[in-house]
Amino acid sequence: DAKTTQPTSMDCAEGRAANLPCNHSTISGNEYVYWYRQIHSQGPQYIIHGLKNNETNEMASLIITEDRKSSTLILPHATLRDTAVYYCIVRTDRYGNKLVFGAGTILRVKS
Amino acid sequence: EPEVTQTPSHQVTQMGQEVILRCVPISNHLYFYWYRQILGQKVEFLVSFYNNEISEKSEIFDDQFSVERPDGSNFTLKIRSTKLEDSAMYFCASRLREPSGGAVQETQYFGPGTRLLVL
Repeated sequence: DAKTTQPTSMDCAEGRAANLPCNHSTISGNEYVYWYRQIHSQGPQYIIHGLKNNETNEMASLIITEDRKSSTLILPHATLRDTAVYYCIVRTDRYGNKLVFGAGTILRVKS
Repeated sequence: EPEVTQTPSHQVTQMGQEVILRCVPISNHLYFYWYRQILGQKVEFLVSFYNNEISEKSEIFDDQFSVERPDGSNFTLKIRSTKLEDSAMYFCASRLREPSGGAVQETQYFGPGTRLLVL
């Protein structure tokens, strides 16, 4: 699976959009981009995933560049409860494939 | 909303003792996983399980570890003789293999974890 690069940490004001970048320049054509987050040692929580097109759900939006070498997770109106470690994971769509977690981005939402 | 559950939430054990960590995956899911996270470190994959057998395991998952699905609902991780370095959060996850227009949904859903402390 392709490696990803994320900033170590970011701050965001409460109520503002949080934009979390991820670089995955070695991504291959059959690899998806997944985002999970982990709130203070709880189990990782699925947020969103995509292959080529931008995706949106009730939690977030995922913007993938046309060349697929980078993506941005957008939390449109960050709240204090969004403070967490956010993981960008690139993986193939292969049955049973494990998730490989990096260090992620620590997002601190501040009032 | 269906969720993965794990018991116990905390377990303290003496070095050398056996522990069994239990997970109840989401009911119609077919793939099951164990991960662990040592305090302050990354989440690490241990093992994946499908169709009543291990489909993949990491180097961490040595002979001291075993998994089984004894009754079709519970999914357990056994550590035969615990070591101090087994102290960690252990997360269970499950996934529904769901074909959707030719693409397979690979979303894994995680439980809240069991905090294991080996003394």
